[in-house]
Formats: sequence, C-alpha cells, structure tokens
Amino acid sequence: QLQLQESGPGLVKPPETLSLTCTVSGDSLSRSRYYWAWIRQPPEKGLEWIGTIYYTGSTYYTPSSLKSRLTISVDTSKNQFSLKLSNVTAADTGVYYCASSSSWYRFDYWGQGTLVTVSS
Amino acid sequence: QSALTQPPSASGSPGQSVTISCTGSSSDVGSFDYVSWYQQHPGKAPKLMIYEVSKRPSGVPDRFSGSKSGNTASLTVSGLQAEDEADYYCFSYAGSNNLAFGGGTKLTVL
Repeated sequence: QLQLQESGPGLVKPPETLSLTCTVSGDSLSRSRYYWAWIRQPPEKGLEWIGTIYYTGSTYYTPSSLKSRLTISVDTSKNQFSLKLSNVTAADTGVYYCASSSSWYRFDYWGQGTLVTVSS
Repeated sequence: QSALTQPPSASGSPGQSVTISCTGSSSDVGSFDYVSWYQQHPGKAPKLMIYEVSKRPSGVPDRFSGSKSGNTASLTVSGLQAEDEADYYCFSYAGSNNLAFGGGTKLTVL
C-alpha cells in the first residue's frame, strides 16, 4: 500500500517558483512501475491535472498554459518526486495533490494535499 | 474550461439511485475506455471509485457503477446513503498524451 505525502512552502510570492515534493513510502519509486502525478485544485473549484512522470523519467504535461512553466522530476535516492512551477501568480493558488497509479490514466493513491497561497 | 462536461449538481433521497453524466467528445471519452471517477468529501483528497469505465477498486461498494455510451460516461450510485454526499469528478484520457478532469458534480442526499 503506497503512501504519499506532499511538502513545501505554504506561501509563495509572485513571480517566484513554487516547489513541492512528494515523499513516497510503501515501495521503492525506482523499482515500482508506477506513474507519479501532480493535480491541483483552486479554492472552491475543480480538479486540474498538471502532469505525470513515469519511473523511467518520461514526463507528460498538461497542454495548457501551465506547460511552459512546469518541471516534474524524480529523485530515486530520496524516494521522492517533485513539482516546480515558475513565475507564479495568484491564479496558481490552491491545494496541490500528488498521486500515483500503475496506469497513467487514473490515480489509485493520493497524498492528503497541501495548500499553496501565492501572494506578495 | 473543462474538456469534459458534468452537471454542477445532482440529488436524490436515501435509498434512491442517481446518475451523473460526463460528456466528452470522440477524441476522449468516445475513443478510449480510460474513464475514471473520483469522490471527494470536503477538505479531503479525492478517492478513486471507478476506473476503465466500469471497474471498481477493491473496497468500493457495489452500489457504485460506471458505464459509457458514445461520448458520454456515467456514474450511477444506487441505494443512496448519507455518506455518498460529496463532489464527484470524471477523468479521461484525451488523446495526444493529455488527460482531463470534468468540472465536477456536487451530489446532495436529500
């Protein structure tokens, strides 16, 4: 049973870079053939898929305007994967979830989510 | 704007059945059997309820079922219970390495 836990600053100033880490427990990120994803949810709004990385390092990003600001990476030595979103604005405020699955078109396991507020 | 369209709200009385639709296009829902559904209670992380249109993960009650017809997928909750009151989101592969959520449906148990 995988467990995921997001961590990172709760407050980011525009136009800095938002950096979040998801720590995985219950299996080795490098050995398990899982997809690792980031999803966000603005306050009082719906879910938005941000991007997914496979354990091999292959990445899939949303085709939205986010794509040019996104980097998702894996650190197998720490059993973590990370999200970096550059040049943030208030529109990037929301709860950010990390998630995973053995299939990249669904999410079996979720972290509890972390609220990130973008404000000066 | 979501690529997948859901009704903003749905409701039913305890014991009744309610169906939530998720309408896409021939480029996503209509072409792939990769539709999943998520339940989200306030302040909580989403939970996978249905995957690959109609499959239930272990532990999800069989009151929850999924189906698809053409470009529209549906989630049916039978024998409504108070704890089913939540937001529900559909999710689908949208081709070209793209994935998309529906806008979400708030289910109210009357």
